[in-house]
Parts: sequence; structure tokens; C-alpha cells
Amino acid sequence: NAGVMQNPRHLVRRRGQEARLRCSPMKGHSHVYWYRQLPEEGLKFMVYLQKENIIDESGMPKERFSAEFPKEGPSILRIQQVVRGDSAAYFCASSPLSLSDEQYFGPGTRLTVT
Amino acid sequence: KQEVTQIPAALSVPEGENLVLNCSFTDSAIYNLQWFRQDPGKGLTSLLLIQSSQREQTSGRLNASLDKSSGRSTLYIAASQPGDSATYLCAVRGRGNQFYFGTGTSLTVIP
Repeated sequence: NAGVMQNPRHLVRRRGQEARLRCSPMKGHSHVYWYRQLPEEGLKFMVYLQKENIIDESGMPKERFSAEFPKEGPSILRIQQVVRGDSAAYFCASSPLSLSDEQYFGPGTRLTVT
Repeated sequence: KQEVTQIPAALSVPEGENLVLNCSFTDSAIYNLQWFRQDPGKGLTSLLLIQSSQREQTSGRLNASLDKSSGRSTLYIAASQPGDSATYLCAVRGRGNQFYFGTGTSLTVIP
């Protein structure tokens, strides 16, 4: 059973470009979470999704950021018109059905905006 | 809003010593608490998960306790080894669905 997969592992974008980050949850997991870790800061929750549904996006900036988890394929975190402040490590986690379940993290995507 | 604090922010110990890492949270209405380790430039590895109804969990040299009423958890590491050097994070899952993370304790075990 492969773990949570994220790609790319490293992404460099110029200011104003779009960044697309992908996350494939563990097999059998239907809950996906995205977190952002800014340099020298802790992980901050961004969004929680189930298949085809955004359950909680309270941690996601209102503009330029969007997330989806389609019926088929990976979850996508999309950042439009990136700015230098978006440079961070973006982690995806997945868990099975229950609220009590453990969450499993992917290796992260390190986004650098130049 | 849930606030998670970890003390100390950094810790350096000689190999073989036992140590305790602390995590405190402000809202005791939690589903569970999870301890992770993060190596530099890497993702998070889950160490222990404690459900809100449990008092402690053990895995090898690690023991985590939870006192929900006082909003505290500790991670005890026995007989520390240089390979234990990493940043240790605690995260609580509370109302709603999100996990709240502390800023971590950076541990260095000196050979």
C-alpha cells in the first residue's frame, strides 16, 4: 500500500504564474487535507476535502487559491498569480473514514516563487 | 480558536538520556492528538495517535500521554539516540475537521 504521494516535490514559478500541486491519498482513504508550512513557522491547515466536496476551506486564502478532489484522480491545490509570499512547503495528508482516524502525510511540495 | 503550544522550542541532550517534550492546547474538546517527527526538508512521520478517550500510547521507546482536562500531552523518549534528532510536532483534531499544529520542538541528541 503506497503512502501519500505528492508531485512535484519541488516547483519553481515566477511571480504571476500558476502553481498546481497534486496529491494522491493512500489507497482507501477518502479524506484529504492540505497544509502550508512557511519558513520558520508551523503547519497551518488550509482545506479539507472529500471526493467531489470541499468540507472546510476556512484556512485557505480567499483569493488566488483553490482546491479540488475529483471523483477520479488526485487532489489538486491550485495557486493562481503566485507571489513571493506563497513560497512554502505544501503538505497533503489523508485519512480513512472516521474523525478519529490517524492522518498520513505526503513528502510535501516545496514551492519557490522567484 | 484552538491554540497549540510546544515547549521547549529546542532541546539538546547527550545520547542515552531520557527526555520529555510538552504540548499544550487551549480547547479540550478534541477528537484525538497525534505526535509526528519531521526531519529537515522532509515530510511528517506519524509517531503516536491518542484518542480523546485514552490516557496514553506506547510504541517502542516512545510514550505519549494525554490529559484532556488540563489540555496537555507529553511525549517521553527513553534512551535517546542520535537518530532521534528531528523536530517533533504535536497536532490536535478538534471541532470541525481540521488539525491544529504546534510549532514543534527541535531535538538534537549528541553522540
